[in-house]
Amino acid sequence: GIQVEQSPPDLILQEGANSTLRCNFSDSVNNLQWFHQNPWGQLINLFYIPSGTKQNGRLSATTVATERYSLLYISSSQTTDSGVYFCAVERVGTASKLTFGTGTRLQVTL
Amino acid sequence: DAGVTQSPTHLIKTRGQQVTLRCSPKSGHDTVSWYQQALGQGPQFIFQYYEEEERQRGNFPDRFSGHQFPNYSSELNVNALLLGDSALYLCASSSGPEAFFGQGTRLTVV
Repeated sequence: GIQVEQSPPDLILQEGANSTLRCNFSDSVNNLQWFHQNPWGQLINLFYIPSGTKQNGRLSATTVATERYSLLYISSSQTTDSGVYFCAVERVGTASKLTFGTGTRLQVTL
Repeated sequence: DAGVTQSPTHLIKTRGQQVTLRCSPKSGHDTVSWYQQALGQGPQFIFQYYEEEERQRGNFPDRFSGHQFPNYSSELNVNALLLGDSALYLCASSSGPEAFFGQGTRLTVV
C-alpha cells in the first residue's frame, strides 16, 4: 500500500513562531487532506489540497503532486495550534479510502 | 448543520463482549467510513459503506462488521472483543473527495 511519512514527528514552538510541516507519499494520489486533531480526539479539516496552494488565515498548504509531497505552513503560532497534525492521502484507484501519516505533534508554549 | 455525530463518546467493555458504535453523517453525505486510531498512531481504515453496501475494506478481521441504513447512518460492530481493540473509533462521511470526521468513540476493553 501507499506509504505516508510526516516530519518532524515532534515540534515545540514559542508563541508567535512560524513552522513548516512536511508530508511525503510514495504513490500517485487524487486526494490529500490536512487535519488537526485536538486533545479530545476530534479531527478538524484544515485543507483539501490534492495539488496547488491554498491559504486560510494563518495557515497555508502546498501540494506538489508530481514530486509526491505536501507542506503545511503555520505562521504566528498560538497555543491553540497545539495538537497533532495529520496528512492523509487517497491513492489513485482506492476511492475515498484515506491513508494517514503518523502525524506531527506540535506544542506551542507561551 | 450538526456535522458528523458519533455515539457513545466513551465505552468500557469486557474482553469477549460485543460492541456497537453509531454514526450519523453530515447532512447531504451518502458515504460513511470507519477508522480505528490506536494511541500514538494515525487512524487506520476499517471499511466504507455506500448505498447500504460495504464498498471497501481495510486489513481488519471479520470480527469487525458494519451496516448502513437507508438514511445513510451507520453502525460498526465488533465481536469477541480483545484488549487490542481498545482505541478511538472515528467515523467519516463524504459526498465527494473530502472527508469530514466525527468526534470519535473511545473504546476501552478490560
